[in-house]
Amino acid sequence: GEDVEQSLFLSVREGDSSVINCTYTDSSSTYLYWYKQEPGAGLQLLTYIFSNMDMKQDQRLTVLLNKKDKHLSLRIADTQTGDSAIYFCADSMDSNYQLIWGAGTKLIIKP
Amino acid sequence: NAGVTQTPKFQVLKTGQSMTLQCAQDMNHEYMSWYRQDPGMGLRLIHYSVGAGITDQGEVPNGYNVSRSTTEDFPLRLLSAAPSQTSVYFCASSRGLGSNQPQHFGDGTRLSIL
Repeated sequence: GEDVEQSLFLSVREGDSSVINCTYTDSSSTYLYWYKQEPGAGLQLLTYIFSNMDMKQDQRLTVLLNKKDKHLSLRIADTQTGDSAIYFCADSMDSNYQLIWGAGTKLIIKP
Repeated sequence: NAGVTQTPKFQVLKTGQSMTLQCAQDMNHEYMSWYRQDPGMGLRLIHYSVGAGITDQGEVPNGYNVSRSTTEDFPLRLLSAAPSQTSVYFCASSRGLGSNQPQHFGDGTRLSIL
């Protein structure tokens, strides 16, 4: 079946940029999503990108999509302590609209 | 605006007990779903519903039942709890079933089966 893969951890210094990467296998993806999960909370939609776009920017967040390599990244500029969370990549399968989820990347901020 | 509300937030059960996890949304969303979240794994879909009276199985449905008698509510029932069902359970809803319909999540129910 289709799969989405992410590294489990990323550690960055406060003020630096964070880049969280995701690879997927589905050839028919239409939308790819980034969700954020803070401790003890549910998942919150951060941003999403349509598959015919290469880049989407929203304040400190930049999403890059390389459809040829099936690679998605989320860049967080000027990382703050409030950005500490688990970030999930999700791919929507156009065939049945279900989401395929990555395991999540835990972003650790060093002072 | 409450969004998606899950109760209880925490629960401990003994093996063999049954219980119902509640989920309610006040956004008039047609699509609702239940996921479980386990360490080192992505969310796995248990059951979903595309509208009142309609439910279907997801990736890991065994040991769980659902019903959708109203648009607002989508309870998840554990028939006979097993330690393998220890997990965090999330309910989600969205306006529709299209790729451009982001899901809204509840805060989760943390369930331990002893």
